[in-house]
Amino acid sequence: AQSVAQPEDQVNVAEGNPLTVKCTYSVSGNPYLFWYVQYPNRGLQFLLKYITGDNLVKGSYGFEAEFNKSQTSFHLKKPSALVSDSALYFCAVSDLEGTYKYIFGTGTRLKVLA
Amino acid sequence: EPEVTQTPSHQVTQMGQEVILRCVPISNHLYFYWYRQILGQKVEFLVSFYNNEISEKSEIFDDQFSVERPDGSNFTLKIRSTKLEDSAMYFCASSDRPVQRDTQYFGPGTRLTVL
Repeated sequence: AQSVAQPEDQVNVAEGNPLTVKCTYSVSGNPYLFWYVQYPNRGLQFLLKYITGDNLVKGSYGFEAEFNKSQTSFHLKKPSALVSDSALYFCAVSDLEGTYKYIFGTGTRLKVLA
Repeated sequence: EPEVTQTPSHQVTQMGQEVILRCVPISNHLYFYWYRQILGQKVEFLVSFYNNEISEKSEIFDDQFSVERPDGSNFTLKIRSTKLEDSAMYFCASSDRPVQRDTQYFGPGTRLTVL
């Protein structure tokens, strides 16, 4: 069965510093991986996805993620954090055994300190 | 930019009551989903729906749950007799292509509180 893990419940980073939010996955076959962000009282907003191709994927709001097959990781990164990046971040994998559904991690709360 | 909308934003109900959570997916999308998130836990898949029928459902989606697309715009989740453990945030999502890797677009969620 497919699964994803987000090992950190919360990540704190100073504004202007680089940020990393970690995600590891377990899938049989090629993974389809996604990052979503949730701001207070808003839905899950799509940030980026990896399907195939370059291991470095660029997404919305200056975020990027690096797919690492040997480490089965898909960490979310941003070179310079903003206070407005503070939110809840979810990693997800598309279930290749079922029909279309996503399997989510537990989420990581990012807090960017001014 | 088109977005998925959900109503109500918060629903409080008594145990044993029926609730209907409503979603308006993005207009040209064909695939619809419900997920839920119990406080502090993972976002979990409930059901997917295409061409007026359920494509897949999880073990959570038992006989107390049903989904319907009553018209060309709404997609509803009904819980017939709510239980305390149904308290959660319920997210609706939609996508426009049938392949697994397509991006799903999520609504803001409905927080259901069962007393």
